[in-house]
Amino acid sequence: AQSVAQPEDQVNVAEGNPLTVKCTYSVSGNPYLFWYVQYPNRGLQFLLKYITGDNLVKGSYGFEAEFNKSQTSFHLKKPSALVSDSALYFCAVRPDTGTASKLTFGTGTRLQVTL
Amino acid sequence: NAGVTQTPKFQVLKTGQSMTLQCAQDMNHNSMYWYRQDPGMGLRLIYYSASEGTTDKGEVPNGYNVSRLNKREFSLRLESAAPSQTSVYFCASQNRGLADTQYFGPGTRLTVL
Repeated sequence: AQSVAQPEDQVNVAEGNPLTVKCTYSVSGNPYLFWYVQYPNRGLQFLLKYITGDNLVKGSYGFEAEFNKSQTSFHLKKPSALVSDSALYFCAVRPDTGTASKLTFGTGTRLQVTL
Repeated sequence: NAGVTQTPKFQVLKTGQSMTLQCAQDMNHNSMYWYRQDPGMGLRLIYYSASEGTTDKGEVPNGYNVSRLNKREFSLRLESAAPSQTSVYFCASQNRGLADTQYFGPGTRLTVL
């Protein structure tokens, strides 16, 4: 069975500082990994995904994520945080084989960016 | 191109009442999903439809039924609502490939009294 762990319920960072939101995963075979963002009272918006190839994936709004196979991690990063980045972030995984198309989500990390 | 739409946005039910949540997508996606979101638990899959004409149980199917009406529409029915079903419900859709991205609707906030 596949699973995702987001070990921090909340991450606090000052505007202009770099941010990291952590994600580790467990899956049979190779993973497809996704990051989503949820603003208050909104649905989830897709940020970026890792399928194969370059371990550093660039996405929307200046976010990027680094895939590390040996550590089974897919941490979300941004060089310079903005107050408007404050939101709930979800990591998700599915295996790259099989017929099931279910996506497994982590419990989410709330990012708070302050002035 | 509206993406994934859901109705209603908000609903309050009494215990034992029934209702249907509607979802439609205009992206010609094959697969559609229903999730519920509860504080501290992330998103949990209720049911999904990998393609038109098929439906399968997810992680938390008890108390729910679904209908894949056609390729565009996927509804979720609560036959006899319970307070434990108070949640925010999201519909999502994607193409058939495992690498494809799921796109989400805006959600329905349901309260069962």
